[in-house]
Amino acid sequence: AQKVTQAQTEISVVEKEDVTLDCVYETRDTTYYLFWYKQPPSGELVFLIRRNSFDEQNEISGRYSWNFQKSTSSFNFTITASQVVDSAVYFCAFKISNFGNEKLTFGTGTRLTIIP
Amino acid sequence: DGGITQSPKYLFRKEGQNVTLSCEQNLNHDAMYWYRQDPGQGLRLIYYSQIVNDFQKGDIAEGYSVSREKKESFPLTVTSAQKNPTAFYLCASSIAVQPQHFGDGTRLSIL
Repeated sequence: AQKVTQAQTEISVVEKEDVTLDCVYETRDTTYYLFWYKQPPSGELVFLIRRNSFDEQNEISGRYSWNFQKSTSSFNFTITASQVVDSAVYFCAFKISNFGNEKLTFGTGTRLTIIP
Repeated sequence: DGGITQSPKYLFRKEGQNVTLSCEQNLNHDAMYWYRQDPGQGLRLIYYSQIVNDFQKGDIAEGYSVSREKKESFPLTVTSAQKNPTAFYLCASSIAVQPQHFGDGTRLSIL
């Protein structure tokens, strides 16, 4: 069975600081996808990124960057120069790469608060 | 605009009562999902459907029922057998291997 661990329950940083959200996963599968979703106070989940297990290249999108390391089974998310609008709950999720099995396994989430 | 619509936003249930949460999508997605979110916990899968007239149980299906008579609609019924129904319920949809898109959620409380 797969498992996703987000050990940081809550994080608070002052605006403009950098912050990294940790995600560690467990699986015996060799092909899979990893995801990050953002849940703002309004409640909906907003898709941020999907990563294939074969692609370990780090990715940068504006102030967001992701560090995928298969050797440590981690998929960490860094926000650079944080802003108040980044305040939300962030979820890491896992899915095996098997067409027809679309089940996502979520971590318990990290609540990020950016202090003005 | 295409998207997923969940209604109502807030719902109250009396003891022993069944209630139905609505989920409609106009994204032409084949698959639809229902998740439950409790404070401090991640999302847990209740039911999912990959095609019309077919659905599978997720991790916490007991006390819930679904139907998939139309591609656009995937209603969730919280039955009286669900003893702890107070939670935030999220519906999602997807097509092929694309990431799931989520609705705004329904918050269910017990009177």
